[in-house]
Amino acid sequence: DAGVIQSPRHEVTEMGQEVTLRCKPISGHDYLFWYRQTMMRGLELLIYFNNNVPIDDSGMPEDRFSAKMPNASFSTLKIQPSEPRDSAVYFCASSTQTVNYGYTFGSGTRLTVV
Amino acid sequence: TQLLEQSPQFLSIQEGENLTVYCNSSSVFSSLQWYRQEPGEGPVLLVTVVTGGEVKKLKRLTFQFGDARKDSSLHITAAQPGDTGLYLCAGAPGSGSARQLTFGSGTQLTVLP
Repeated sequence: DAGVIQSPRHEVTEMGQEVTLRCKPISGHDYLFWYRQTMMRGLELLIYFNNNVPIDDSGMPEDRFSAKMPNASFSTLKIQPSEPRDSAVYFCASSTQTVNYGYTFGSGTRLTVV
Repeated sequence: TQLLEQSPQFLSIQEGENLTVYCNSSSVFSSLQWYRQEPGEGPVLLVTVVTGGEVKKLKRLTFQFGDARKDSSLHITAAQPGDTGLYLCAGAPGSGSARQLTFGSGTQLTVLP
């Protein structure tokens, strides 16, 4: 398996523009998580899905953030409009029902909003 | 909200030295995991500990879960430059069906040659 695949690896955009981050989880994993990592706040859970259904989106910072999982092999995180404070590394991770299995993370998308 | 505090936040040591990293909480976790993250990559799972008092060894790394399942430690023997990275602990909820892990703030380890 190729692991969790995220795209793009790097994104530089201007304030106010729409940004879409993409994630392909590991086949057979029924949980998908979106995290944001910054030096100041560490890893923050934004939202997670189980069997393509959003379960907890309480970490989504504002209405400017939205996430979808139209099928078991694809998820998107969209920011519209983007702001400089959204600059961070965004990670997608997938896992299974086995509580001790752990997460498999993608390599992340480094977002810079100027 | 379950919180995990890691210490120290930063650690810089010479190759060959031993070190211990701590992960503490006031909450009980059903299991605890340790991840290592290298620059430009996502965290990678090192180990999962489940039973209070459990000790697991992974080559030069020794992981221990506290008896009360509220804390954990990671000990590295004879550290090598390849051990450099951000070490994160993560706890699974002690009860309920919630599936999300709580991550600690991390310990940035630098091993100098």
